[in-house]
Amino acid sequence: GQQVMQIPQYQHVQEGEDFTTYCNSSTTLSNIQWYKQRPGGHPVFLIQLVKSGEVKKQKRLTFQFGEAKKNSSLHITATQTTDVGTYFCAGPPGGSYIPTFGRGTSLIVHP
Amino acid sequence: EADIYQTPRYLVIGTGKKITLECSQTMGHDKMYWYQQDPGMELHLIHYSYGVNSTEKGDLSSESTVSRIRTEHFPLTLESARPSHTSQYLCASSERVQNTEAFFGQGTRLTVV
Repeated sequence: GQQVMQIPQYQHVQEGEDFTTYCNSSTTLSNIQWYKQRPGGHPVFLIQLVKSGEVKKQKRLTFQFGEAKKNSSLHITATQTTDVGTYFCAGPPGGSYIPTFGRGTSLIVHP
Repeated sequence: EADIYQTPRYLVIGTGKKITLECSQTMGHDKMYWYQQDPGMELHLIHYSYGVNSTEKGDLSSESTVSRIRTEHFPLTLESARPSHTSQYLCASSERVQNTEAFFGQGTRLTVV
């Protein structure tokens, strides 16, 4: 079955540093979604990418979808303490309607 | 703001008890999901539904069962709780079409003693 891998599992940064998490799928994805889960909370949708090579920005967050639609990345510029949480990618394999979540990357921002 | 609700938020129960975790959404979404998540770990899909009278097992084998008699309601039942069932259970829903976001409930933290 499909596997979605995310690296790194944890990332400690000083406030103001940049952060990147990578998502890789063993199969081609019809789309990729990113979610953020605050400690003790539930996942909240951030964005969805559909097209090969797509890049989207939300303020300090930049999301990319690979040309082969098998990988994606989330980059945060100048992290803030409010960015703390676990970032998950999720993607349904081609032809499927059910998203498979990666393990997530936990971001810890030190003030 | 998402309109998907889970009850109870926290539950401590003894081994062997039958429990039902409730999940309701008021968005009219056809697709609903149950995920299991241990602290700091990934989300594992245990059940999903495409609509009324549709239920499917997910990737993670689970001893729980679900039902979908009404669009808005997707309860999960454990017939006989065991300590290995201790986890967080997250319910989510999304629209019928493929490329739409999933809305999550607040989750139920279950502890079986």
